[in-house]
Amino acid sequence: QKEVEQDPGPLSVPEGAIVSLNCTYSNSAFQYFMWYRQYSRKGPELLMYTYSSGNKEDGRFTAQVDKSSKYISLFIRDSQPSDSATYLCAMSGGATNKLIFGTGTLLAVQP
Amino acid sequence: DAGVIQSPRHEVTEMGQEVTLRCKPISGHDYLFWYRQTMMRGLELLIYFNNNVPIDDSGMPEDRFSAKMPNASFSTLKIQPSEPRDSAVYFCASSPTPVTGVQNSPLHFGNGTRLTVT
Repeated sequence: QKEVEQDPGPLSVPEGAIVSLNCTYSNSAFQYFMWYRQYSRKGPELLMYTYSSGNKEDGRFTAQVDKSSKYISLFIRDSQPSDSATYLCAMSGGATNKLIFGTGTLLAVQP
Repeated sequence: DAGVIQSPRHEVTEMGQEVTLRCKPISGHDYLFWYRQTMMRGLELLIYFNNNVPIDDSGMPEDRFSAKMPNASFSTLKIQPSEPRDSAVYFCASSPTPVTGVQNSPLHFGNGTRLTVT
């Protein structure tokens, strides 16, 4: 079993839809949770960062962490064609300085 | 700031040949990471350096892979001999502080080197 599981998609939605992206993980030591966005033929860029459980909102984006269920989510409201990209969850914790990434979910927002 | 610079952008080589990938991190960033990305396995950490010293190379797949960081502004990832299963996108990333903990700094990725081994 992988430490981090993420549905690869692809996920196709119409412009304006609410998008929900999710990851599950198995390592209870993870405390730091991130979402990276990767456009085609580019490197990933940090989108959201959350420590421990709870919610964090930034504009149209909301990140949620449920440590009891080992489940994290990213919500995108009023999705735009420019949001079309691969979204990767990443997490770390314990004595390691390593980020463990999910495989990424490919999102396409249709105009 | 030019960001993390990787070269070449694309590399096509034949099985058995030596491949060298290059990376220039962002100035002042003490941490440098090499990742490999494939459709099946996603983004995998190969090795990371702190202040030019390799700290964790447990992700390096086998002895055919080696990485060096001779100074703070340059790192190489070498594959010798290359095999078709090494085909992937290789990313270099840097960070000014540890990527975890309260200091949390994002990883700054380059645009990758797409390696094809035939």
